[in-house]
Amino acid sequence: DTGVSQNPRHKITKRGQNVTFRCDPISEHNRLYWYRQTLGQGPEFLTYFQNEAQLEKSRLLSDRFSAERPKGSFSTLEIQRTEQGDSAMYLCASSYTGDGGEKLFFGSGTQLSVL
Amino acid sequence: AQSVTQLDSHVSVSEGTPVLLRCNYSSSYSPSLFWYVQHPNKGLQLLLKYTSAATLVKGINGFEAEFKKSETSFHLTKPSAHMSDAAEYFCVVTLYSGNTPLVFGKGTRLSVIA
Repeated sequence: DTGVSQNPRHKITKRGQNVTFRCDPISEHNRLYWYRQTLGQGPEFLTYFQNEAQLEKSRLLSDRFSAERPKGSFSTLEIQRTEQGDSAMYLCASSYTGDGGEKLFFGSGTQLSVL
Repeated sequence: AQSVTQLDSHVSVSEGTPVLLRCNYSSSYSPSLFWYVQHPNKGLQLLLKYTSAATLVKGINGFEAEFKKSETSFHLTKPSAHMSDAAEYFCVVTLYSGNTPLVFGKGTRLSVIA
């Protein structure tokens, strides 16, 4: 594995349903980030982890959103009671603090469509 | 708060001509600045980064950017555009001094005409 892997690539759900996305970072990377990107906009920061600790959460991350990284490896992002406004591309990225931590490697994203 | 403004939402150039993608930043400290590229159906890729060393930064694929503190700018340039350069380009600043998370601009779509 030479990159950040995200699953699923696409998710279509009905309003009110719960969805969960998974991100597998590059194996030696200790930081993991979640971003959200809507059409015509740049990615917006949601939250990030260093190892298993969640260090920062954006105010964009409402109570319906929860992210975990239980063993400091893969991470999940869950959205409860989805709304049409949640439709977006959800991006995961990872980095390694040993080389400064500023070079983020991004996955291809999970495209969420809420009907 | 730290932010970046990409002055053009779309730039179109002919193949073989120079590329200029403009970015201005706002920061309360000496920022770290980046340019990322996003090709269709591919993940974001780091082109180059500035972290208070040389003001002229060289990146991959022949791109470079110059940090100008007096103008609060970090424009991306390339001497000669190639068809494969067609993509979305994002100017990025760190949220905190010397640290991530990153704050992205809205992006500039580069079209290259044959």
